[in-house]
Amino acid sequence: KNEVEQSPQNLTAQEGEFITINCSYSVGISALHWLQQHPGGGIVSLFMLSSGKKKHGRLIATINIQEKHSSLHITASHPRDSAVYICAVRMIRNGNQFYFGTGTSLTVIP
Amino acid sequence: DAGVIQSPRHEVTEMGQEVTLRCKPISGHDYLFWYRQTMMRGLELLIYFNNNVPIDDSGMPEDRFSAKMPNASFSTLKIQPSEPRDSAVYFCASSQGGLETQYFGPGTRLLVL
Repeated sequence: KNEVEQSPQNLTAQEGEFITINCSYSVGISALHWLQQHPGGGIVSLFMLSSGKKKHGRLIATINIQEKHSSLHITASHPRDSAVYICAVRMIRNGNQFYFGTGTSLTVIP
Repeated sequence: DAGVIQSPRHEVTEMGQEVTLRCKPISGHDYLFWYRQTMMRGLELLIYFNNNVPIDDSGMPEDRFSAKMPNASFSTLKIQPSEPRDSAVYFCASSQGGLETQYFGPGTRLLVL
């Protein structure tokens, strides 16, 4: 069983749609990261969360520590949002080791 | 700032050869991370440094892999001898603080034939 589960694995949306990507983890964490990997391979760190909610432009990330769950929302999606979104957590157990989700591949169609 | 710089961007080598990947973190960042990404295993953390000292290398796959950080502006990841299963994209990232946002380099695509 993966320590970090993401859903969905693949997502296709029409331009303008509201998108939600989910991440669940199994044990206590010190921080959760949302990463974006573009088709060219480059990785960008979108958010680092330890509680609450963060917003940057059309992107919103939330985390519920009690439920061990985080969501990444994209409002008014655009084709340039097409990428793989990866959830990564630092777990308190195992000395703050990093664990990664398998990623959600998002395609936004014009 | 130029961001995290990695070199080379692409490397093709033959099995058994030594491979050295290089990383220059963002100036002022005190944490440096080495990751590997493959289709099969996704993204994996190999090792990370704090103030040039290796903190956790439990992700390093085996003794063929070694990483050093001789100073705050340079790190290397060495594979000796390389094997075809080492083919992957290797990312370096840095951050200011261990729990802060990480900034990733463009990655080095390694192909071992």
